[in-house]
Amino acid sequence: DSGVTQTPKHLITATGQRVTLRCSPRSGDLSVYWYQQSLDQGLQFLIQYYNGEERAKGNILERFSAQQFPDLHSELNLSSLELGDSALYFCASSADGYEQYFGPGTRLTVT
Amino acid sequence: DAKTTQPPSMDCAEGRAANLPCNHSTISGNEYVYWYRQIHSQGPQYIIHGLKNNETNEMASLIITEDRKSSTLILPHATLRDTAVYYCIVRVGNTDKLIFGTGTRLQVFP
Repeated sequence: DSGVTQTPKHLITATGQRVTLRCSPRSGDLSVYWYQQSLDQGLQFLIQYYNGEERAKGNILERFSAQQFPDLHSELNLSSLELGDSALYFCASSADGYEQYFGPGTRLTVT
Repeated sequence: DAKTTQPPSMDCAEGRAANLPCNHSTISGNEYVYWYRQIHSQGPQYIIHGLKNNETNEMASLIITEDRKSSTLILPHATLRDTAVYYCIVRVGNTDKLIFGTGTRLQVFP
């Protein structure tokens, strides 16, 4: 158990819909990272937040957005969903940026 | 693009040492070598990282060649639970994102 929690575990939704994935980092970790893992693209970095502010951006689509709240939990919002957005979404947290601790992931299925 | 090259798969007998190689011939002086693993579809798990010295922790040892162009992750006594995809990643300290390649699928057999 990494100490990072993600909800929900599974999500099934239709194309065009909007969903919110939630992540609670390890206690005290200020950095939160979001990654997407799909069968054809592998594990890809999406975005990082540090203490409420966006720190780095990766291959995140404009339809996707994220935020980190004052209590340090983070949400990833995915809108106008397409079939290709079906993937595992992982959240990771870190205290110092060296070791990232990953949550169990949210499996999103878009039908 | 990932800056590392790893064999796609390896086998190891239970109880034996698993030695996973990684080539990173274009590594820069300020880039660290990190290893993570992913068991089935679970979240990746941090294993170890190093800059130029060999490192050891409770999970594994990391051996980095003197020219830093390659490294080896050693699991000293592999168990069936070590069956996973192992990712070798280079990154600048703690300031850069993790870029995962395709990794090495390690199969530990009885």
